[in-house]
Amino acid sequence: EVQLVESGGGLVQPGGSLGLSCAASGFTFSSYWMSWVRQAPGKGLEWVANIQEDGSGKYYVDSVKGRFTISRDNAKNSLNLQMNSLRVEDTAVYFCARDQALRLGGHDYWGQGTLVTVSS
Amino acid sequence: QSVLTQPPSVSGAPGQRVTISCTGSTSNIGAAYDVNWYQHLPGTAPKLLMYGNNNRPSGVPDRFSGSKSGTSASLAISGLQAEDEADYYCQSYDSSLGHYVFGGGTKLTVL
Repeated sequence: EVQLVESGGGLVQPGGSLGLSCAASGFTFSSYWMSWVRQAPGKGLEWVANIQEDGSGKYYVDSVKGRFTISRDNAKNSLNLQMNSLRVEDTAVYFCARDQALRLGGHDYWGQGTLVTVSS
Repeated sequence: QSVLTQPPSVSGAPGQRVTISCTGSTSNIGAAYDVNWYQHLPGTAPKLLMYGNNNRPSGVPDRFSGSKSGTSASLAISGLQAEDEADYYCQSYDSSLGHYVFGGGTKLTVL
């Protein structure tokens, strides 16, 4: 059974940093692109970043470029998101999601999400 | 505002058919990039409902169907059930931005 479990969310002050992790199991992690998607309170889904199977390609939404870094550890079946220079508008539930093997076929498995609150 | 435009809300009575539109542009849907659809209940993980415009993942009832034409796509739900009440999002790839984009979401209310 495919499982994705996020951790690392919490309360952080504006300008601070936070690292999220996603533990993957039930599939060959190193064979899939992985993504982070977020949902701010009362707002819709927003794609944040994704990373190629071997970590060589990384892509970001403009609003987080230069502040967020996506990475993965295929030996540990782990996806990470390092968030620096956090802003109030980064407050959201962050979901880890597996990209389908079919390129651009969307995200077929999702975690339950972890809440990040940026507030003073 | 979102790159992909969806109506904020739609509604229908049980048993009826509703459609949710998703309007993009020549850099995403109109550029022949596929459209994916998700169903999301607050507090839960989003669920992939449709991929590649009109393909249902295993377990998704055939009451759900998808289509695409030009710069727009649609999700149709027939035989509405109370359990279909949720938020629905379209998604595609945008070549100008170089990544996935979501629509703003549509809240479906089953009357």
